[in-house]
Amino acid sequence: DIVMTQSPDSLAVSLGERATINCKSSQSVLYSSNNKNYLAWYQQKPGQPPKLLIYWASTRESGVPDRFSGSGSGTDFTLTISSLQAEDVAVYYCQQYYSTPEAFGPGTKVDIK
Amino acid sequence: EVQLVESGGGLVQPGRSLRLSCAASGFTFDDYAMHWVRQAPGKGLEWVSGISWNSGSIGYADSVKGRFTISRDNAKNSLYLQMNSLRAEDTALYYCAKDSGQWLHTPFDYWGQGTLVTVSS
Repeated sequence: DIVMTQSPDSLAVSLGERATINCKSSQSVLYSSNNKNYLAWYQQKPGQPPKLLIYWASTRESGVPDRFSGSGSGTDFTLTISSLQAEDVAVYYCQQYYSTPEAFGPGTKVDIK
Repeated sequence: EVQLVESGGGLVQPGRSLRLSCAASGFTFDDYAMHWVRQAPGKGLEWVSGISWNSGSIGYADSVKGRFTISRDNAKNSLYLQMNSLRAEDTALYYCAKDSGQWLHTPFDYWGQGTLVTVSS
C-alpha cells in the first residue's frame, strides 16, 4: 500500500503571505504511460466536507482561485497558497489515487498568524 | 447541481450491522465511480471503499476488508455500504464521494455532508 505523509502538521501564516505544504508518497504515483501524477489536494473547512482543489498534481479544479497551485512529481509534491486569505483557514489533505487503497495524507492545518 | 445525500447512520452496538445509503442527483450516476470516505471525530480522512460505474472494479481499505461491502444500484441512483461486525474504531462521519471518472483512480470532485456512525455499547 502507498503511504502518504505531509509536513508540517500545522502552520500559521500572516495574511497576504505564502503558505507551503509538502506531501510525500512512499512509492511513485507517476504513471509512465500517460506521464500523469495521480495526486490530488483537498481543502476541508470546519464543519464542511472536503473540497477538491488540485488534481493530477498541478491542475486547478474549476472555480479554485489561482493563488492555489500544486507542483511536484513522482513522490514529492507541494501545495502553495501564494497570498493567504482569511477564507483559506482549513485543513489541507493530499491524496494518491494511483492505486487502492486511495490513501490520504494526515492533513496540514493552516491558520492565520 | 450535484447532490449526494447520505443516510443510515446512528448508534449501534459493537458486533452489530448497519447499512449506509447515498442518494445521488444532478448527474448521470451510472457514468461515474463512487466512494465511501470516513473521518473519525477530530481525525483525518480515511478512504474506505470504491466502486466503478458498472460494479466491475471494487476496492476496500484493509481496515474494513471482509466486514464491509460496497454496492450500487444504478437504476435507483444510489450507493450503499453494508457494514458488519462493527467495532468502536469504525466510529466516524461517513462521506459519500463522487469520482470524476468511470473507474477508480481519478480524483473525487463532489462530496456529501456525511452520516455519523457511532459504535458503542
